[in-house]
Amino acid sequence: SSELTQDPAVSVALGQTVRITCQGDTLRSNYASWYQQKPGQAPVVVIDGKKNRPSGIPDRISGSRSGNTASLTITGAQAEDEADYYCSSRDNSGKHNYVFGTGTKVTVL
Amino acid sequence: QVQLQESGPGLVKPSQTLSLTCTVSGASLSRGGYYWTWIRQHPGKGLEWIGYIYYSGSTYYTPSLQSRVTISVDTSQNQFSLKLSSVTAADTAVYYCARGNNGDYCFDCWGQGTLVTVSS
Repeated sequence: SSELTQDPAVSVALGQTVRITCQGDTLRSNYASWYQQKPGQAPVVVIDGKKNRPSGIPDRISGSRSGNTASLTITGAQAEDEADYYCSSRDNSGKHNYVFGTGTKVTVL
Repeated sequence: QVQLQESGPGLVKPSQTLSLTCTVSGASLSRGGYYWTWIRQHPGKGLEWIGYIYYSGSTYYTPSLQSRVTISVDTSQNQFSLKLSSVTAADTAVYYCARGNNGDYCFDCWGQGTLVTVSS
């Protein structure tokens, strides 16, 4: 099965910009979505596979993809953006299967 | 507003079968375009896709669990279920049900999750 690799942790100063990356061969041919998970809560989609923000997600959060890498950018990070972030995509081993990234803990300083 | 709610035992004995149900409100499981999904998260770890069932009844499972997992749907109750057989302590996790959106290519609605502990 495919793997999606993320940096385990990143930190960002309040109001600054942070980019989280997700790498995997499956991203060359499949969409990536992004999820935010705060402690004790279920994940919430923040970027869908079409790189759109669902209703209620602030426009400081954006997504992009290039080659085998998908990125999530938070421009002007706020305290409430501190969370775990996971990417997800279809798995190359079977067109119906999915895989999640390893997750990135974002700390806002 | 679509809502999903997991239910089932919080404690399962080793070698037994874990059974969970997800009750969906605000959306019909009979409608195409969505896939009804189970995802789990081991304590302090990342997310693991387990599998999903499509409105047609087709099911797809992660290879590592395929021999032990069954996802089914009861459209009359608007519920879908997960069964995981021969559980061990390694199956202790928070189990989430979620809706996969075939148009937006994401899991757009999630249940709150339920912790299942495998222990004697």
